[in-house]
Amino acid sequence: DAGVTQSPTHLIKTRGQHVTLRCSPISGHKSVSWYQQVLGQGPQFIFQYYEKEERGRGNFPDRFSARQFPNYSSELNVNALLLGDSALYLCASSLWGANSEAFFGQGTRLTVV
Amino acid sequence: GQNIDQPTEMTATEGAIVQINCTYQTSGFNGLFWYQQHAGEAPTFLSYNVLDGLEEKGRFSSFLSRSKGYSYLLLKELQMKDSASYLCADTRRDSGYALNFGKGTSLLVTP
Repeated sequence: DAGVTQSPTHLIKTRGQHVTLRCSPISGHKSVSWYQQVLGQGPQFIFQYYEKEERGRGNFPDRFSARQFPNYSSELNVNALLLGDSALYLCASSLWGANSEAFFGQGTRLTVV
Repeated sequence: GQNIDQPTEMTATEGAIVQINCTYQTSGFNGLFWYQQHAGEAPTFLSYNVLDGLEEKGRFSSFLSRSKGYSYLLLKELQMKDSASYLCADTRRDSGYALNFGKGTSLLVTP
């Protein structure tokens, strides 16, 4: 059974550009969460979706947005990229979000130049 | 993470026991997770505590005291492959139960 898959694995963008990151959860999982991890730090929560509805939002600017599709896959969009957006973006899926084990994808390494 | 505190670095010897502590804010607390993350890899689940006490799973155990806002991860019979970052994360009722991670503890296991 496939785990959480994210695409692309690596991405280089220029300041001011827009980026879309994609995530496919484990089959049967209805919750998807997005995290940003800067080198040397723990992951920081960005968004959580459950059954296509936003259930939580972290302390990130409105340039960050996300959505979950009927098949439970998800996209994270970041507009007007800044150098400080360079990070590993992790997607995690779980059965129902709260109090259930989260399985992480390998992440998308975003570099903004 | 919001008010998650854990040591930045620890070093231990192969075959020994190491305890990694984590403190969190008790107000709004729901549960406590521990994840392991090797360099360049995704975090992997180790344990989940919601009730007070010790949960044992092979060489790894995790403890929670809800009243004290305190948890620890205990690693026994350390192996070189245990060198990794150990992430403490709580879930809170006021943030949709998303994982609120600390900065992680980088553990180095030496021969």
